[in-house]
Amino acid sequence: ILNVEQSPQSLHVQEGDSTNFTCSFPSSNFYALHWYRWETAKSPEALFVMTLNGDEKKKGRISATLNTKEGYSYLYIKGSQPEDSATYLCAFVAGTYKYIFGTGTRLKVLA
Amino acid sequence: EAGVVQSPRYKIIEKKQPVAFWCNPISGHNTLYWYLQNLGQGPELLIRYENEEAVDDSQLPKDRFSAERLKGVDSTLKIQPAELGDSAVYLCASSLGFQGTGELFFGEGSRLTVL
Repeated sequence: ILNVEQSPQSLHVQEGDSTNFTCSFPSSNFYALHWYRWETAKSPEALFVMTLNGDEKKKGRISATLNTKEGYSYLYIKGSQPEDSATYLCAFVAGTYKYIFGTGTRLKVLA
Repeated sequence: EAGVVQSPRYKIIEKKQPVAFWCNPISGHNTLYWYLQNLGQGPELLIRYENEEAVDDSQLPKDRFSAERLKGVDSTLKIQPAELGDSAVYLCASSLGFQGTGELFFGEGSRLTVL
């Protein structure tokens, strides 16, 4: 059974704070790692798709890094804003191309 | 471009009743997924279609769940009869192909409450 874990489960930060969370996945049979943002009452939206060890991707104030050898990815948000409040999901894709989602990190940014 | 459309958004039924969810994927997306999301957990795959063929239904509880994707476009997921434990969000997603590097495009989900 492939296990994808995300931490923390939830966190509250003040507006303007920077924050980061972790996605841990199996280090073998790696194919890709996806990050999605899921705002309440909306549909999950893709943030990043990462495939290479050492990959770093950035979109505005959000960035992500990937370490396939040790099996983790970090998502960073710089200068958090209330509109960043959402659940952040990672999905590990093994060589079988099956997407295995983590349980998500619920972020609440307080104004 | 229209996104993935799901209906209904919310459904409340009594146990043992049937329920059906509908999904219209993004035009041209030949891969369609149904995911189940229980509270506090990540989405879990129920079934994946490539065009009209169900190529991965290993996680679909076939005693009460069924799905179809006629003509390889929109899809219906049915539960009959519903049980209390089926209360969850049912997410539909589509992608251009099944490659692992392609992002999934999700609908807003159908939230089911079974009383």
